[in-house]
Amino acid sequence: DTEVTQTPKHLVMGMTNKKSLKCEQHMGHRAMYWYKQKAKKPPELMFVYSYEKLSINESVPSRFSPECPNSSLLNLHLHALQPEDSALYLCASSQGEQGLGSYNEQFFGPGTRLTVL
Amino acid sequence: DQQVKQNSPSLSVQEGRISILNCDYTNSMFDYFLWYKKYPAEGPTFLISISSIKDKNEDGRFTVFLNKSAKHLSLHIVPSQPGDSAVYFCAATNYGQNFVFGPGTRLSVLP
Repeated sequence: DTEVTQTPKHLVMGMTNKKSLKCEQHMGHRAMYWYKQKAKKPPELMFVYSYEKLSINESVPSRFSPECPNSSLLNLHLHALQPEDSALYLCASSQGEQGLGSYNEQFFGPGTRLTVL
Repeated sequence: DQQVKQNSPSLSVQEGRISILNCDYTNSMFDYFLWYKKYPAEGPTFLISISSIKDKNEDGRFTVFLNKSAKHLSLHIVPSQPGDSAVYFCAATNYGQNFVFGPGTRLSVLP
């Protein structure tokens, strides 16, 4: 299984809602990532989990809360979002966060298209 | 300040010809470079990568060249096919930290 899956594919939420994005991989990868991508822009790194521990938080507002329950799962909990948070949220995984060569090759899921009203 | 730059927002190439996509970076600590291809409404797909200790890596129709002194890399696709039409992102990382994508180049391969 060489796939990263993300659910849901689309999500519409109000500014007072609480929702969660889910990501799953079964490749034995030990690093997982959340990215945010706005239209016609490159993906921007939000969080990195390495061996189920948060290792990088790129100054993301606290209304985004990541969680890594185990090595295969990554969640992104959303609360009190703003309309400008509407974007494609991409999950990725790689063999390891740190190291040479193929450890850095990230495999991406299809993304969750989030709209905040 | 953009650490990874792709100065051509778009590129059109005739089918069968070579496509050359360019990427420049500013951070000399980057040690690994990757190219991703992205179709609309899909996540990026890994294409090919190169370590900073090499100057060339080839995989089928795709070849990546790295010029460390110029902080420049390029992706060559030959022969180009209509299915190659997509947005191509260059990305760079320093031992898995500081993973940065360029703004992307939209490649159109014309039949």
